[in-house]
Amino acid sequence: KAGVTQTPRYLIKTRGQQVTLSCSPISGHRSVSWYQQTPGQGLQFLFEYFSETQRNKGNFPGRFSGRQFSNSRSEMNVSTLELGDSALYLCASSFTSGALGNEQFFGPGTRLTVL
Amino acid sequence: AQTVTQSQPEMSVQEAETVTLSCTYDTSENNYYLFWYKQPPSRQMILVIRQEAYKQQNATENRFSVNFQKAAKSFSLKISDSQLGDTAMYFCAAIEGINNDMRFGAGTRLTVKP
Repeated sequence: KAGVTQTPRYLIKTRGQQVTLSCSPISGHRSVSWYQQTPGQGLQFLFEYFSETQRNKGNFPGRFSGRQFSNSRSEMNVSTLELGDSALYLCASSFTSGALGNEQFFGPGTRLTVL
Repeated sequence: AQTVTQSQPEMSVQEAETVTLSCTYDTSENNYYLFWYKQPPSRQMILVIRQEAYKQQNATENRFSVNFQKAAKSFSLKISDSQLGDTAMYFCAAIEGINNDMRFGAGTRLTVKP
């Protein structure tokens, strides 16, 4: 079974631009969560999508948004990029949501650099 | 919401020896799960071991085992017979209840020396 895939793997943008990152979960998994990893803040939860609905949201500004499609693939969008948005963005999929202790499987991440 | 603390930013161990990484957490929930993830230089997060809070028995996975002290809210990871491939960042993480909002510690960078 193929793992979680994320595209693109690397991205360079300039301040003020917007960016869209994509995540394809493991086949059969319906929940997709997004995390931001930076040296200063560590790993932080962005949001979770399940059955095309946002189920949880972390403490991030409205510039960060996401969506999930009927095939469970998810995209996250960051508008009006700031230098501080430079990070590794990790996507994780799990079989379901709303159950105890769902194991999350992580993708390789997208490295976003904002210049 | 849960918080996770890792107080050892860096550790090193000689190949074939044993090392223990520390983690403490705080939660007001009765149902929660604890995890140790490994992130090698490739940046791929890999699940090492998980522990259900309601289970008193410590989880083990081959050379990896945990010491789960529920009252002390402590969750340490022991790596036995350390191998060069164990060199990585190790993150302790927790999930409360039915949420998929995983909270991570700051990580411990482990270096296994030949």
